[in-house]
Amino acid sequence: KAGVTQTPRYLIKTRGQQVTLSCSPISGHRSVSWYQQTPGQGLQFLFEYFSETQRNKGNFPGRFSGRQFSNSRSEMNVSTLELGDSALYLCASSPRTGGRAGELFFGEGSRLTVL
Amino acid sequence: AQSVAQPEDQVNVAEGNPLTVKCTYSVSGNPYLFWYVQYPNRGLQFLLKYITGDNLVKGSYGFEAEFNKSQTSFHLKKPSALVSDSALYFCAVSDISNFGNEKLTFGTGTRLTIIP
Repeated sequence: KAGVTQTPRYLIKTRGQQVTLSCSPISGHRSVSWYQQTPGQGLQFLFEYFSETQRNKGNFPGRFSGRQFSNSRSEMNVSTLELGDSALYLCASSPRTGGRAGELFFGEGSRLTVL
Repeated sequence: AQSVAQPEDQVNVAEGNPLTVKCTYSVSGNPYLFWYVQYPNRGLQFLLKYITGDNLVKGSYGFEAEFNKSQTSFHLKKPSALVSDSALYFCAVSDISNFGNEKLTFGTGTRLTIIP
């Protein structure tokens, strides 16, 4: 079974631009979560989507948004990029069943550099 | 609010020796606790979790973790370390009273280095 796929793996943007990151979950997984990883702040939860609905949201400004499609693929968007948005953005999918809740399957991440 | 603390940024262990990576947690109710591992330039991999029941939880790659409610700890352990265990380890917690969402709160991570 193919793992979680994130694209692009690496990207460089300048301040003020916007970026869209894509995540394809493991087949059959309907929950997709996004996390931001930085050396200073560690891993921080951005949001979770399940069946095209945002179920939970972290403490990030409105510049960070996401969506999920009917095939469970998800995208996140960051508008008006700031230098502090430079990070590894990790997507995780989950079967979201009671017995395996919390067992997240992570992609390798999209590394965003803002200049 | 839920939180986890990993008091050690770095742990060095000689190959073949037992290893322990420490984690303490804080939640308002009963916790779901997790350990994840991150290898260089890779995403995180699930190792093990505690929900309820036996306080000693066994996971992947020979790792186990001991849940201690009185000390609010969930330390990761392995009897004999391998060089290939060198990686970044994250403890995480989810609020059991609100379980059904997939939000995990992660610790800051502990870099484990196994010395040959």
